[in-house]
Parts: sequence; structure tokens; C-alpha cells
Amino acid sequence: QSVLTQPPSASGTPGQRVTISCSGGGSNIGSNTVNWYQQLPGTAPKLLIYSHNQRPSGVPDRFSGSKSGTSASLAISGLRAEDEADYYCEAWDDSLNGPVFGGGTKLTVL
Amino acid sequence: EVQLVQSGAEVKKPGESLKISCRGSGYRFTNQWIGWVRQMPGKGLEWMGIIYLGDSDTRYSPSFQGQVTISVDKSINTAFLQWSSLKASDTAIYYCARREAGRLDVWGTGTTVTVSS
Repeated sequence: QSVLTQPPSASGTPGQRVTISCSGGGSNIGSNTVNWYQQLPGTAPKLLIYSHNQRPSGVPDRFSGSKSGTSASLAISGLRAEDEADYYCEAWDDSLNGPVFGGGTKLTVL
Repeated sequence: EVQLVQSGAEVKKPGESLKISCRGSGYRFTNQWIGWVRQMPGKGLEWMGIIYLGDSDTRYSPSFQGQVTISVDKSINTAFLQWSSLKASDTAIYYCARREAGRLDVWGTGTTVTVSS
């Protein structure tokens, strides 16, 4: 049981906009920044969004993040086949004194 | 290019010990936090613990406290994750990652550990 809650799956067709939610609590998302990671099949995770809505160099602006209260969201617009991957949210948890992950969302591009 | 290079895949028997490594290259491996993340087969990411390279301050997730040991050798730019007695349930991919400014910005390629009799 992950501390942060994500839907196990999401899907969309090429060109569509998809959002993935991440729900937490006051000790994690409510009081700290949220990061998102993309894990393509058979590869290591990669930082996708940090500090709620910042993109590292090289990440397309099709990817965006937001946070409200104790929840966060990742949005992918102009969906492409290569976006098919697992997506994880992560935030520091003040009670656990360490980072916590969501359970991951498997995105399928139909 | 900043990279974390992890040691190769391991196949071990239950009860054996193991130490896997994570070597930093392309940057100074000092005054930073390096964390370890477990991914069991077909499952999500789990935080194991983190070590500060400056003074070896180490913090463990409650789920992994007492189960593993995290250490560092700054002279060779390398962090380690070790087990004294492996169990079949330790079968997983283990990733190291640099924690910089509140995010895991550089990840290793992962070390696959298989524990089977």
C-alpha cells in the first residue's frame, strides 16, 4: 500500500490529453513539492516534472504538472505512442522523514 | 555527462551476503545525497534509504531499517547497498539515484538481484 495514491492505469489515443492524479496527505504533498517520474519499459525511471510544475531540460512542454492542497496531477497533451510508460509521483514525507512514491500509473496509448 | 554507474546483475542463494555498488561519474561525488530504490518484479518504486556523501549521514525507510546497510567510499566515488543474509523476497531491481534540490534527478541503470535456491 503506497502512501501516495495513483490510479493503476490510464489510456488515451494519439493527440489526446490525459491526466494522472496523485493523492496524498498533509505530511507529504500538502507541505512539500511533488515530482513525477517516467519509466519506459525495461528502463530506469527518469525525472519528468519537479517542484509541482517544472520540467528538466529536454522534457517536452507537452508534459505539465500541478498541485492543489494534498493532491497533484500530471497532464500529457498531444499524446504520442512513445509516451506509453509507467508514471510515478513522489514527495517528501515529514512524518516518515523520507520520500514516498505513488503506486504508479501505467499509461497505454491506444 | 553526469552518470551513476551501477554494478552488474547478481544471482545469489538465500542466506548469502551481497554488496552492490553505484559509482558517480562526470561530477564530484561529494556533498550530495544518494538514495536507493527497490522495484520488485512487476511492482512500483519503493524508497529504501539515503546517504549524505559529505559525512555519511544515513537514513533508512522504516520498511528497510535493519534489513540492509547503505554506505559510501568517497575515495572511489561509490555508494553501496548491502545485505548480510539474502531472502527470496529480496529479488528485485535496485536503483541508486542522486537527490538534488528535493528531487531524484539522476538515476543509475539498476542492478538486478535474483535470490533463488
